[in-house]
Amino acid sequence: EPEVTQTPSHQVTQMGQEVILRCVPISNHLYFYWYRQILGQKVEFLVSFYNNEISEKSEIFDDQFSVERPDGSNFTLKIRSTKLEDSAMYFCASSETSQHTYEQYFGPGTRLTVT
Amino acid sequence: DQQVKQNSPSLSVQEGRISILNCDYTNSMFDYFLWYKKYPAEGPTFLISISSIKDKNEDGRFTVFLNKSAKHLSLHIVPSQPGDSAVYFCAASEGAQKLVFGQGTRLTINP
Repeated sequence: EPEVTQTPSHQVTQMGQEVILRCVPISNHLYFYWYRQILGQKVEFLVSFYNNEISEKSEIFDDQFSVERPDGSNFTLKIRSTKLEDSAMYFCASSETSQHTYEQYFGPGTRLTVT
Repeated sequence: DQQVKQNSPSLSVQEGRISILNCDYTNSMFDYFLWYKKYPAEGPTFLISISSIKDKNEDGRFTVFLNKSAKHLSLHIVPSQPGDSAVYFCAASEGAQKLVFGQGTRLTINP
């Protein structure tokens, strides 16, 4: 069964460093998303991406964040200068989006720890 | 901004009985609702969904009910099994847009 994959599973970085989180969405899916979950809190939307551009972003997704689909399979989230409060689980999701079905399928997540 | 709320942080049910998880929403523009199951250190796993044009959707042991006038949905699991123990998230969207999640309900199935 096709699944969303994410690498790395765990990333430790120092404050101020850049990190890139990688995702391979399900191959026939057209919409791609990043979410995050800070420990003990809700899963929160960061950004959605369709047709090679951002379709929506949240207030969290400030200038320190960027997304890219560098080739036909990978979808990346870059945090330019990490802060302590960026420590969270980051989930990539994708959806096929046919008429009336909008299920999003999530990857296993990357745990980002900023020290 | 709590557009999607799950008011019960935890629920304990005996194996074989029915588990009922509840979710309320405030945004009347939501037209698609989903339930996800999540184990620690894993991503949310899609369980079942329902469009706002329906009031019930069933898939095996899982049934989701939608009451649009009350802005309420529920997930029924019957019979409950030990493997169902996890955190369950309700989520809502306006079409193919971002999912807005509830806080989750930790379901424990007791043998």
